[in-house]
Amino acid sequence: DQQVKQNSPSLSVQEGRISILNCDYTNSMFDYFLWYKKYPAEGPTFLISISSIKDKNEDGRFTVFLNKSAKHLSLHIVPSQPGDSAVYFCAASEGTYKYIFGTGTRLKVLA
Amino acid sequence: DTAVSQTPKYLVTQMGNDKSIKCEQNLGHDTMYWYKQDSKKFLKIMFSYNNKELIINETVPNRFSPKSPDKAHLNLHINSLELGDSAVYFCASSQSVKQETQYFGPGTRLLVL
Repeated sequence: DQQVKQNSPSLSVQEGRISILNCDYTNSMFDYFLWYKKYPAEGPTFLISISSIKDKNEDGRFTVFLNKSAKHLSLHIVPSQPGDSAVYFCAASEGTYKYIFGTGTRLKVLA
Repeated sequence: DTAVSQTPKYLVTQMGNDKSIKCEQNLGHDTMYWYKQDSKKFLKIMFSYNNKELIINETVPNRFSPKSPDKAHLNLHINSLELGDSAVYFCASSQSVKQETQYFGPGTRLLVL
């Protein structure tokens, strides 16, 4: 049973526009959420996090939104840049103890 | 300076062989992890060690045995390799077991023929 789902395997966005990556989860006990970015042949790198006490967290061009009632989080990248082209994983945990990862969304930013 | 390193990067081997993957972190972290990313791109945790002690052991065959000689190293030994073991294996570390941010190694691509 997949507790963390990223239903869009890929997304293409024009440079300068907004990229929105979505993630849904089923376990209402999850209270920490992370986004990781992964380039080919490299390990995932941490991007941004949010805890369930917040509904928004910003870091530069990256903003994560959490909708607890819908069990949904999204990552917004504004403006998108070609260097943002990568696979983005969301991950969720109960108490930061063990993270469950989604299957990733491949973002392609077109110049 | 590489924070989390894994060797080898690529591993091609025959079914039935025994192989090891090494992981080292130079971040001074207490907690280390092994993840498996299969052909469907699921990234699943296999093991976690905190200060050389096993704290997470997911449903993984006994053929997989992690070994942590010190808190900077977490090696993964796999006995009697099977075709289904083909995957990318990622090592990761975090400051503590309750630290949300994990730092990943570059991955080891294992292909079992």
